[in-house]
Amino acid sequence: AQTVTQSQPEMSVQEAETVTLSCTYDTSESDYYLFWYKQPPSRQMILVIRQEAYKQQNATENRFSVNFQKAAKSFSLKISDSQLGDAAMYFCAYQGNDMRFGAGTRLTVKP
Amino acid sequence: KAGVTQTPRYLIKTRGQQVTLSCSPISGHRSVSWYQQTPGQGLQFLFEYFSETQRNKGNFPGRFSGRQFSNSRSEMNVSTLELGDSALYLCASSLGQIGVTDTQYFGPGTRLTVL
Repeated sequence: AQTVTQSQPEMSVQEAETVTLSCTYDTSESDYYLFWYKQPPSRQMILVIRQEAYKQQNATENRFSVNFQKAAKSFSLKISDSQLGDAAMYFCAYQGNDMRFGAGTRLTVKP
Repeated sequence: KAGVTQTPRYLIKTRGQQVTLSCSPISGHRSVSWYQQTPGQGLQFLFEYFSETQRNKGNFPGRFSGRQFSNSRSEMNVSTLELGDSALYLCASSLGQIGVTDTQYFGPGTRLTVL
């Protein structure tokens, strides 16, 4: 079965600094997608970034980028120039035959 | 385009009752998935519907069921409610293209409290 592990229950970053959230996954599938979702206090899940496993190039969306290491089954999220609005729970998700989520990392942004 | 909508947003029920939650997907999306989110278990996949058929199912008891209508709107039903069913129920929609993994967009959720 596919599992998704986020080893950092909580992270903290100073405003304008950079933070990296870790995610590893386990799978025997060759074709899959990986996602980072953000869940602010409003509880609305918001897509941050997505990575297709067949693509070697790391996905980037403005201040958000990923470091995708397929052989190591690692998918970390880097947030640059952190803003107060980035404070939220971040979930790493794997989508192959089904969709699985990690336990989440709570990110705090200090002014 | 309007996002995914879920009704009601909050619900309080007592043990033994049943409940129906509704989800309207983004226009044009044909796949609707349901998830249960609790502090202890995190986000867990319940089931996915596509073109009025259940396409995928998670590991939940038969008390949890769903259906999808011809307009892609979906309902989820939980019968004989238990205290442990208290959770945030999230619905997500996607285009649902066959053979293609596409992005899911989530609704705001329905907060169910079972007393």
